[in-house]
Amino acid sequence: AQSVSQHNHHVILSEAASLELGCNYSYGGTVNLFWYVQYPGQHLQLLLKYFSGDPLVKGIKGFEAEFIKSKFSFNLRKPSVQWSDTAEYFCAARPNTNAGKSTFGDGTTLTVKP
Amino acid sequence: ETGVTQSPTHLIKTRGQQVTLRCSSQSGHNTVSWYQQALGQGPQFIFQYYREEENGRGNFPPRFSGLQFPNYSSELNVNALELDDSALYLCASSPGLGNQPQHFGDGTRLSIL
Repeated sequence: AQSVSQHNHHVILSEAASLELGCNYSYGGTVNLFWYVQYPGQHLQLLLKYFSGDPLVKGIKGFEAEFIKSKFSFNLRKPSVQWSDTAEYFCAARPNTNAGKSTFGDGTTLTVKP
Repeated sequence: ETGVTQSPTHLIKTRGQQVTLRCSSQSGHNTVSWYQQALGQGPQFIFQYYREEENGRGNFPPRFSGLQFPNYSSELNVNALELDDSALYLCASSPGLGNQPQHFGDGTRLSIL
């Protein structure tokens, strides 16, 4: 069965600190990987996605993620966080055979102190 | 373009009742997926509809059922509500079954008393 693990439940950083959120997935086949962000009071929004090709993907708002197949990981990074990055972040995986069956991690709440 | 819209935003029901949640997909999207997000957890896949047919189902009992209409809007129906059904129900749409990301609505917060 497919599963996604996010190891950090709550991360607190000061502005300008660097961010790395861990995500590991378990699936026997080829997967598409996603990071979503949910700002307070808003819906889930796509930050970035990996389907194939360059394992380092860049998303919106200065976020990037690296797919490491040997480690089954897809960690999210940002060199310098801002107060406006305070949100909940979800990693998700889905088999590349079907669009809908995404499996989500339990999320990481990021709090950035001004 | 109009995004994914869900109604109602909040709903309170009692155990044993039935509920219908609605979702209008984003313009041009013919695929709709439903997710249940319990407090403190990530969304869990319930099922997906593609061109009015169910196209995949997660680990949810048959009392969770759905429909998709010719305009690609969708309904999630839950019968015999249980306390554990209290959650945020999310609808997501995408333009087909290919490698396209899903667009999420704001969700319906369902509380069971």
